Amino acid sequence: NAGVTQTPKFQVLKTGQSMTLQCAQDMNHNSMYWYRQDPGMGLRLIYYSASEGTTDKGEVPNGYNVSRLNKREFSLRLESAAPSQTSVYFCASRPVTGASNQPQHFGDGTRLSIL
Amino acid sequence: GQQLNQSPQSMFIQEGEDVSMNCTSSSIFNTWLWYKQDPGEGPVLLIALYKAGELTSNGRLTAQFGITRKDSFLNISASIPSDVGIYFCAGRGSGSARQLTFGSGTQLTVLP
Repeated sequence: NAGVTQTPKFQVLKTGQSMTLQCAQDMNHNSMYWYRQDPGMGLRLIYYSASEGTTDKGEVPNGYNVSRLNKREFSLRLESAAPSQTSVYFCASRPVTGASNQPQHFGDGTRLSIL
Repeated sequence: GQQLNQSPQSMFIQEGEDVSMNCTSSSIFNTWLWYKQDPGEGPVLLIALYKAGELTSNGRLTAQFGITRKDSFLNISASIPSDVGIYFCAGRGSGSARQLTFGSGTQLTVLP
């Protein structure tokens, strides 16, 4: 069982470059999420997809776009990377939407540095 | 928006000691979750709480969902070196606020 798989694990970009972070889950989960983690700030939600074909903004969406390619895959794109986007990015998935209280499962993260 | 205050921010304890950390919210949550994050890895779920007053154990870990639905605590008994890591609380509200809100984490160091 792979669970939630994120690629790449590490990336260094120059300011202004573009980049797509990939996330795939093999648990047939409906909902998927992208977070960023910065020192002392916990995890902050960037975008989420409640189900295939839908995406919504989270707490810190500016500078990012997402695509829910299919049920398995949810990608995060930085069109023009900025140093403030240096962070560790986590993808997560959750079994169902609606009233369910199922917890999220996380990938191992993508460590992104913008120079 | 919803805010979570997690304390303490960091703890240094001797191996064998008990540990307690807690989270308080500015609003009511329907679900409390506790995650642990090891260096270089993603958060891993430790305990999930779904009812006010609920007390749940997972081995040496015990967590409670506060009666007011605005707080939760996590206790670790008889700490061991592998307990080292960052512990996060997370809460989920209802309606339009159903996304998880995370605390800022408690960094736990266990000294030999």
